[in-house]
Amino acid sequence: DQQVKQNSPSLSVQEGRISILNCDYTNSMFDYFLWYKKYPAEGPTFLISISSIKDKNEDGRFTVFLNKSAKHLSLHIVPSQPGDSAVYFCAASEFRGNEKLTFGTGTRLTIIP
Amino acid sequence: DGGITQSPKYLFRKEGQNVTLSCEQNLNHDAMYWYRQDPGQGLRLIYYSQIVNDFQKGDIAEGYSVSREKKESFPLTVTSAQKNPTAFYLCASSIRGGSNQPQHFGDGTRLSIL
Repeated sequence: DQQVKQNSPSLSVQEGRISILNCDYTNSMFDYFLWYKKYPAEGPTFLISISSIKDKNEDGRFTVFLNKSAKHLSLHIVPSQPGDSAVYFCAASEFRGNEKLTFGTGTRLTIIP
Repeated sequence: DGGITQSPKYLFRKEGQNVTLSCEQNLNHDAMYWYRQDPGQGLRLIYYSQIVNDFQKGDIAEGYSVSREKKESFPLTVTSAQKNPTAFYLCASSIRGGSNQPQHFGDGTRLSIL
């Protein structure tokens, strides 16, 4: 049972344009969401997070939007740069006294120069 | 320079052999985690520990064991009972459990069967 889904395995975007990565979840108990970026043979790097009490969080070129009613979140990267080419993972957790993360399967983003 | 160190980067296991993957952190984090990544899949939680001398099973704990004798160390043993151990193993830590703080990851160990 895949509780966190990233339905697009890959995405290609022109340099300078906006990249939009999507993530859907099914568990209504999730209340904290994160995005990680991963290069091959390296560990994931934390990018940005959002709590369920918010619907938007911004950090530089990265913005995460949360739509709780649709159980959907998205990561916007603008403007996209070649160094943004990586696999992006969406993750979620329930606030039950631990930080067990449930990850999506990832989206490979390729920025075209 | 604080961080999470996993060793070795590559590891080979013979059939029927137990192997131990090392994870050390100098971030003074209370909570530590082990994940497994298979091709085309997300990360799946094997074990986690919120405090020294305590740990809980994750979603795929069968065939694995851990210990947490020191705050900075959380080694993972892949036992011979794990029938499909070939994967990329990632260790992570966070300030403390339940704090809604992000987990930070090491660079992983790739385990292969000879």
